Order: sequence, then structure tokens, then C-alpha cells
Amino acid sequence: TQLLEQSPQFLSIQEGENLTVYCNSSSVFSSLQWYRQEPGEGPVLLVTVVTGGEVKKLKRLTFQFGDARKDSSLHITAAQTGDTGLYLCAGRLRSNDYKLSFGAGTTVTVRA
Amino acid sequence: EPEVTQTPSHQVTQMGQEVILRCVPISNHLYFYWYRQILGQKVEFLVSFYNNEISEKSEIFDDQFSVERPDGSNFTLKIRSTKLEDSAMYFCASSPNGTPKLFFGSGTQLSVL
Repeated sequence: TQLLEQSPQFLSIQEGENLTVYCNSSSVFSSLQWYRQEPGEGPVLLVTVVTGGEVKKLKRLTFQFGDARKDSSLHITAAQTGDTGLYLCAGRLRSNDYKLSFGAGTTVTVRA
Repeated sequence: EPEVTQTPSHQVTQMGQEVILRCVPISNHLYFYWYRQILGQKVEFLVSFYNNEISEKSEIFDDQFSVERPDGSNFTLKIRSTKLEDSAMYFCASSPNGTPKLFFGSGTQLSVL
């Protein structure tokens, strides 16, 4: 059973378009994170959200944590080819957990 | 910018052999982790390590696995008798405290033949 479900699995868009990827669960998380992973590299942390309803912006990226702390979304405005990559969400069920549970990821391809 | 370094980048071994994967976490970090990613699957937690002992481990981390911090800088993952299903990318990560902010290394691709 997947603790964190990410959708869509694959997303291909034209440069300049907007996109949203989703991370959903039936469990409540203490915190959720979004990572980006390039082929042959480790995940790189983009953002951590901890408060229900929280919205964080990182340049053209907007991250939202659901009010119930069960889901999150990543929105990219005016996508660029450099945004191409695997986007992973990961969560901690309890604040004193050491373990991060990862979703399977969304592979984003931005075409020139 | 400080980074987590892992060696080797690729390791090929025969089934039943022992392997040691090495990691140098970021120097002032206190929490250390191993994760793995089987090709085409999600990143999976293996173990966390703090204050020279395992703080949490997953069901994957059975008696064939062990971790060690042999000196002040290295953090190792040993697989005693490798199986075909141990083939995966193994990521080391560290964090400065118990916060969710993890820094991952580039991984060691382990292939068991």
C-alpha cells in the first residue's frame, strides 16, 4: 500500500505552460517535503511544509499543504526546460520520526 | 557548498559476497540515514543513526545489514551476504538535527550478479 500517492505519474508540457502535481494520502503528516531528483543523482530538497493550509513560494514554484495535512501540491508557473526532472513528495507521520516516506514521483518533461 | 559524498559510485558484486558502501556526511551534521531506490521504484527508508546507535530501521533492514560510524567522518552500510534483490541505488543522507531537512549524496549503484 502506497502511503503517499503522486499524480500524474508522467507529465509532458510545452515551455511556458503551467503545471500542477499532486501528492495525496489517507494519513495525516507532521510535515511534507518536495524533492527534485535528476537521473543518477540523489533527491534535492525544494521545500518543507508543516502547517495545514500553508503556502510557500520558491520563484516560479508554489507549494501548498492541505488543511488536513493529508495532501500537498506543487504548481510551476511558466515552466522552463530546466524544470525537467522527477519530483518527489515525502512525509513524516510524526514530528519525532526519523523515517521519511516517499511517493513514487512525477516525471516532468518540459519541451522547448 | 558542503555536500554528502558517497563511494564508490558503482559497485558490482557476486551474490553471497559482502559489500561495504561508504559515505561522508556533512561535517557538522548529527543524524545519518541510508535509503535505497530499486530501479523504477520509490525511494525507501532503510535506517537512521544518531549518537552512535540506530534510532530507527525499516523491515528491509534485516540481519544482513549493518551500519557503522568507524571514525568522526565516515558512515558505512554493510551488506553481509548480498542477494540479487539487493541491487539498487543506495543513498546516504544527513541532517544537522532532527528536522526534516535531509541532504542526500549522489548514491552508490549496487549491482548483484
